[in-house]
Amino acid sequence: AQSVTQLGSHVSVSEGALVLLRCNYSSSVPPYLFWYVQYPNQGLQLLLKYTSAATLVKGINGFEAEFKKSETSFHLTKPSAHMSDAAEYFCAVSLTGFQKLVFGTGTRLLVSP
Amino acid sequence: NAGVTQTPKFRVLKTGQSMTLLCAQDMNHEYMYWYRQDPGMGLRLIHYSVGEGTTAKGEVPDGYNVSRLKKQNFLLGLESAAPSQTSVYFCASTDRTQGANEKLFFGSGTQLSVL
Repeated sequence: AQSVTQLGSHVSVSEGALVLLRCNYSSSVPPYLFWYVQYPNQGLQLLLKYTSAATLVKGINGFEAEFKKSETSFHLTKPSAHMSDAAEYFCAVSLTGFQKLVFGTGTRLLVSP
Repeated sequence: NAGVTQTPKFRVLKTGQSMTLLCAQDMNHEYMYWYRQDPGMGLRLIHYSVGEGTTAKGEVPDGYNVSRLKKQNFLLGLESAAPSQTSVYFCASTDRTQGANEKLFFGSGTQLSVL
């Protein structure tokens, strides 16, 4: 069965530092891949998604992710963290779109001044 | 534009009680979903619907029932609540279109505690 693994339940960075959130997927064929963000007391919002059009995907709020088939990874990055980026981030995978979307366990990003 | 609205936002139940969570969307979406979110486990799909009058089981359907009598509404029922059902429940919806604009729209969640 397809799944995603997010390394690190918590990641702490300083404001202005690089953000790197890791996601690895298990799938025998290239899947759809997504990153969602959840701010406190809110539902999830789509940050970006990979659907095979391009390996480097740019999302909202300056985030981007690169699909690396050889590493089965889809890590999320942002060059310079902002205080407002503090939230929980979820990686998700699907082979068929949204009918069978499988979420990772989430990574909480903490940003310090 | 309200998007996806969940009611209630909070609820406390006693073991064995029943309740229904309501999800309403005003975007004319075909697909609707119920997820539960538990610490360290991410979101897990309970049930979903691909259109009015249809429902299907997700990853963790036991103890829950759903109905999609109207396209805009997706109801999640707990017939006999158990402490293991203490969780935050999220409803989501999307339209049928695949491609660049496909994404899930989430409600703000319902926090349920079963004592």
